[in-house]
Amino acid sequence: EAGVVQSPRYKIIEKKQPVAFWCNPISGHNTLYWYRQNLGQGPELLIRYENEEAVDDSQLPKDRFSAERLKGVDSTLKIQPAELGDSAVYLCASSSNEAGTSSLDTQYFGPGTRLTVL
Amino acid sequence: KQEVTQIPAALSVPEGENLVLNCSFTDSAIYNLQWFRQDPGKGLTSLLLIQSSQREQTSGRLNASLDKSSGRSTLYIAASQPGDSATYLCAVLDSNYQLIWGAGTKLIIKP
Repeated sequence: EAGVVQSPRYKIIEKKQPVAFWCNPISGHNTLYWYRQNLGQGPELLIRYENEEAVDDSQLPKDRFSAERLKGVDSTLKIQPAELGDSAVYLCASSSNEAGTSSLDTQYFGPGTRLTVL
Repeated sequence: KQEVTQIPAALSVPEGENLVLNCSFTDSAIYNLQWFRQDPGKGLTSLLLIQSSQREQTSGRLNASLDKSSGRSTLYIAASQPGDSATYLCAVLDSNYQLIWGAGTKLIIKP
């Protein structure tokens, strides 16, 4: 079974440029998460989807960040315009809903996209 | 606000030693606690998940314990191997169904 797929793996951009990250979750997983991980820190949740609905986006900086999961499968996270402080690893994770409440299930992580903003 | 702390931030031990990684959290109202492993340039891999009603979980050479009342968890690694070298993170699922993460312990096992 394929794991969570993310692309690109690395991205280097100039500040003020736009950037987009793509994630394809594990087949059948209806919950999808986007995290940001700064160097030497744990991940921080940006947004959580249940199917195509964003059920928790309280920590998404909405002035420059946006996300979509139009068909409830793959997802795109966008930053426009990027700032120097956005340099980080962006992780996507997915989980099934076997426990009834998706947040109680083990999350499976992709390899992440390392973003460098110059 | 839930906070998760991991001590030490880094640890280097010779191969074959048994070792303990520590994780503490400030609010005992959690649903579960997980230990993850992160290899450089790779994503996170879940190692063990302990439900709030459980005291410990074991997988191979790994054993994780949970003392919810004191806000502590330990990850015990027996007979360490160079392949165990990685960063180990713990995370608690808080009362708002959010995973709150520690900063991790970077473990180096010397051959």
